[in-house]
Amino acid sequence: GNSVTQMEGPVTLSEEAFLTINCTYTATGYPSLFWYVQYPGEGLQLLLKATKADDKGSNKGFEATYRKETTSFHLEKGSVQVSDSAVYFCALSGTGSGGSNYKLTFGKGTLLTVNP
Amino acid sequence: GAGVSQSPSNKVTEKGKDVELRCDPISGHTALYWYRQSLGQGLEFLIYFQGNSAPDKSGLPSDRFSAERTGGSVSTLTIQRTQQEDSAVYLCASSLLGSQNTEAFFGQGTRLTVV
Repeated sequence: GNSVTQMEGPVTLSEEAFLTINCTYTATGYPSLFWYVQYPGEGLQLLLKATKADDKGSNKGFEATYRKETTSFHLEKGSVQVSDSAVYFCALSGTGSGGSNYKLTFGKGTLLTVNP
Repeated sequence: GAGVSQSPSNKVTEKGKDVELRCDPISGHTALYWYRQSLGQGLEFLIYFQGNSAPDKSGLPSDRFSAERTGGSVSTLTIQRTQQEDSAVYLCASSLLGSQNTEAFFGQGTRLTVV
């Protein structure tokens, strides 16, 4: 079945540090890939997405590139801020038969804390 | 409404009791999903609605779990005879269409604690 594996946290960085959160997936077909973020006390929000190989999703300074050859979708940001402290989830959808391609399969989440 | 609304935000119940969790999706969104977020299990898909029908219930963990959606809008997730392992955050999401590229918007969840 489908699965998403992301690096386990927690990750603690100083402000302006470089961030990488690794994400790899196992899926049949051609999934779409997502990063969702959950800020403290808030619901999950879509951060960025990519729908086909070599696409780069970007938002709020975060980037991730859909790498089909390595089945990866690593999240990066060049200079993190305290306000980026949150839980980040890698996810995929778009596989499966019978029209079941809407389901999101999530990784377990990575807690990021950015200190001033 | 402006976003997906879930109620209650917190629910503490005694083992063996039934609970109902409510989700009010974004107006006009035909697709609605329930997920469960628990320690050690991450986020798990429970059920998907397209309009009022549920073409995929494959994630419901047991027959104690059921859900319905009326008027293509509000959905209720019911857990009968709750057990301690049901303790989790139950998340609802909605999207315009049920497709792989359509963004799903999530509510803030209902935190269920079974004591």
